[in-house]
Amino acid sequence: AQTVTQSQPEMSVQEAETVTLSCTYDTSENNYYLFWYKQPPSRQMILVIRQEAYKQQNATENRFSVNFQKAAKSFSLKISDSQLGDTAMYFCAFMKLTDSWGKLQFGAGTQVVVTP
Amino acid sequence: DVKVTQSSRYLVKRTGEKVFLECVQDMDHENMFWYRQDPGLGLRLIYFSYDVKMKEKGDIPEGYSVSREKKERFSLILESASTNQTSMYLCASSLWFRTGERGDEQFFGPGTRLTVL
Repeated sequence: AQTVTQSQPEMSVQEAETVTLSCTYDTSENNYYLFWYKQPPSRQMILVIRQEAYKQQNATENRFSVNFQKAAKSFSLKISDSQLGDTAMYFCAFMKLTDSWGKLQFGAGTQVVVTP
Repeated sequence: DVKVTQSSRYLVKRTGEKVFLECVQDMDHENMFWYRQDPGLGLRLIYFSYDVKMKEKGDIPEGYSVSREKKERFSLILESASTNQTSMYLCASSLWFRTGERGDEQFFGPGTRLTVL
């Protein structure tokens, strides 16, 4: 079974600053996907960024980027130029490629608070 | 845009009541999922379905059942609600993984916060 660990329950960052959220996972799989999902106060969970394990290049989506270290089983999310709208719970999630139904295993989440 | 809707944002029920949580998606997705979200535990999969009338247990199915009579609708049923089922319930849907068209992305509803008294 896979486990996903987010060791930071809450992080605070000022507007325009950078914050990095950590995520580690434990798996014996070689092929998998990793995701960061965002859940703002409205509760509508949305996908922020995804990374295929077979790709060495780190994924980026505008101000969001990841640092994927496959050997270390680490998948951190960096939010640059933080905005008030980035205030949300962020979940790291894992998906096996051998899983035909695309089930996700989630971490406990990190609450990010962006302050003016 | 994909839209996943859930029948209630907030729900209050009494212990022993039968509770139905409804989820509807409008993008013809094959897969549908029910999660439970609790502080410090993240999201945990209760049940999922990959086709009409097909269902599979997730990590925490005890005390729950599901129904999928139509492709767009996936219901979570608490046969006899208990106080330890007080939680946030999230529904999600996704394409059949093998389509390769971002079938890995799950689209979520807004959640139902259920309180069992």
